[in-house]
Amino acid sequence: AQTVTQSQPEMSVQEAETVTLSCTYDTSENNYYLFWYKQPPSRQMILVIRQEAYKQQNATENRFSVNFQKAAKSFSLKISDSQLGDTAMYFCAFMKQGGTSYGKLTFGQGTILTVHP
Amino acid sequence: NAGVMQNPRHLVRRRGQEARLRCSPMKGHSHVYWYRQLPEEGLKFMVYLQKENIIDESGMPKERFSAEFPKEGPSILRIQQVVRGDSAAYFCASSPLGTALNHGYTFGSGTRLTVV
Repeated sequence: AQTVTQSQPEMSVQEAETVTLSCTYDTSENNYYLFWYKQPPSRQMILVIRQEAYKQQNATENRFSVNFQKAAKSFSLKISDSQLGDTAMYFCAFMKQGGTSYGKLTFGQGTILTVHP
Repeated sequence: NAGVMQNPRHLVRRRGQEARLRCSPMKGHSHVYWYRQLPEEGLKFMVYLQKENIIDESGMPKERFSAEFPKEGPSILRIQQVVRGDSAAYFCASSPLGTALNHGYTFGSGTRLTVV
């Protein structure tokens, strides 16, 4: 079974600054996908960024980028130029590739990020 | 193009009553996932359905919980004889094809169930 751990229950950052959210996972799989989801107070789950495990290049989406260290099973999210609208709960998630449980996401506990003006 | 629609958004039930949560997937999507989020926790997988088929129900409690995704109409998550511990937000997600799942599927806004 897979586990995902987010060791930072809460983080805060000043507007326009950079913040990094940590995520580690444990799996015996070699092929999988990793995701970061954002959950603002509206409760909507919004996909922020995804990473294929077979790709060495770190994914980027505008102000969001990841540092994927496969050997260390680490998948951190960096938010640059933080904006007030980034305030939300952030979840790291793992998806195994293939098999009967293909498509099932395993989530971490979440990190509450607050961006201060 | 409407997203994944869940209703009701809020549901209050007394202990012992039944709760029915509905999920209409995005148009053309034939895969539905249900997740539960307890307060201050991440989402936990419950069940994966395709039309008229339960593919993986490994996350469903053994009793009182059931799910269906009929050929026509929304997917339904049913909780019988609710207890206070069932209070949570229940999320549905949908995807068009199995191979698209690795792109991260689309979630609905969730149903918050409160058992009083």
